[in-house]
Amino acid sequence: EAGVAQSPRYKIIEKRQSVAFWCNPISGHATLYWYQQILGQGPKLLIQFQNNGVVDDSQLPKDRFSAERLKGVDSTLKIQPAKLEDSAVYLCASSSRRSDRGLGYTFGSGTRLTVV
Amino acid sequence: SQELEQSPQSLIVQEGKNLTINCTSSKTLYGLYWYKQKYGEGLIFLMMLQKGGEEKSHEKITAKLDEKKQQSSLHITASQPSHAGIYLCGADKARRNSGGSNYKLTFGKGTLLTVNP
Repeated sequence: EAGVAQSPRYKIIEKRQSVAFWCNPISGHATLYWYQQILGQGPKLLIQFQNNGVVDDSQLPKDRFSAERLKGVDSTLKIQPAKLEDSAVYLCASSSRRSDRGLGYTFGSGTRLTVV
Repeated sequence: SQELEQSPQSLIVQEGKNLTINCTSSKTLYGLYWYKQKYGEGLIFLMMLQKGGEEKSHEKITAKLDEKKQQSSLHITASQPSHAGIYLCGADKARRNSGGSNYKLTFGKGTLLTVNP
């Protein structure tokens, strides 16, 4: 099966600019996750979708971050305006529930954002 | 909330040496995942453990989950430069709602492994 697709792979922007990331999950995966990974830390969940509904966005900085998954398939994550501390790798993942083997989480290659 | 502590934070070994990375949870683990990551890139799934005392191996990497399901270890035998990277442990966390249960992964901070030729 095809993996989780993310674009772009790299992005450099100036602070106060806006940026958008795109994710296309594995076909049929109802759950989609966006994680933020700052250098030297583990990934932190920003938002979780179940189909096109938000399940958990408790750690999403809503004053500057937004995400949508309009048709329950691909998703976009936007930052506006960006701050220096937003420099990180943004990871998209999708999952399917398999009762015999637990959850199968698959991660994309990530987008490395540098804010200067 | 579930906290995952990984140790060591970083590790430098000579090629051919064995090494172990540990992951400890403050709560009983439902599912424990190990991933490998190259700097700035995505996560590559290694293994998933669910049962107390479970052990899985793939090539030269072995992962174990203790009987109490609160600690996991990742052991690499005869390390190679290709093993270098960041190793992350992640735990399933379930959130119950009217529609059923929704699961997400929470991660430790990772262990940076360097293997010198």
